[in-house]
Amino acid sequence: GDSVTQMEGPVTLSEEAFLTINCTYTATGYPSLFWYVQYPGEGLQLLLKATKADDKGSNKGFEATYRKETTSFHLEKGSVQVSDSAVYFCALQAHEVSGSRLTFGEGTQLTVNP
Amino acid sequence: DTGVSQDPRHKITKRGQNVTFRCDPISEHNRLYWYRQTLGQGPEFLTYFQNEAQLEKSRLLSDRFSAERPKGSFSTLEIQRTEQGDSAMYLCASSLAGLAGYEQYFGPGTRLTVT
Repeated sequence: GDSVTQMEGPVTLSEEAFLTINCTYTATGYPSLFWYVQYPGEGLQLLLKATKADDKGSNKGFEATYRKETTSFHLEKGSVQVSDSAVYFCALQAHEVSGSRLTFGEGTQLTVNP
Repeated sequence: DTGVSQDPRHKITKRGQNVTFRCDPISEHNRLYWYRQTLGQGPEFLTYFQNEAQLEKSRLLSDRFSAERPKGSFSTLEIQRTEQGDSAMYLCASSLAGLAGYEQYFGPGTRLTVT
């Protein structure tokens, strides 16, 4: 079945450091890929998405590129801020399988220190 | 606020009791999903509705769980004879059907603690 694997956390960085959170997936067909973020005490929010190979999703300085050849969707940010501290989830959506449900990775806790 | 809302936000119950959660989706969304998230894990799919029809249930959803979406609007998730293993965050999401990569909007969740 479909699955998503994220790099193990937690990740602790200093402000203005470079961030990479690795995400790889297994799926049949050509899924859409997402990064969701969960800030403390809040619900899941979509951070960015890509719907086909080589697409780059970007938002709030974060980027991720849909790499079909390596089945990856790594999240990057050039300079993190304290306000980026949150849990980040990579997810895939197999179209019209189970109503296009989302399959999530385990999540990566990011802490950014001033 | 026109986002997805869930009620209650927190529920503490004793083992063996029944509980019911409510989800109000974004009004024009015809799909509604329930997920369960345990501590340190990503959300796992439980079930989904298109309008009022429940079209799929995960194997995670035991016979003690039932969900409804009367009239294709709000949805309820009931857990009968709760067990300690049911303790989790229950998330509701809604979306429009049929489009590739269409975003699911999540509610804040209901945190269930079974003592």
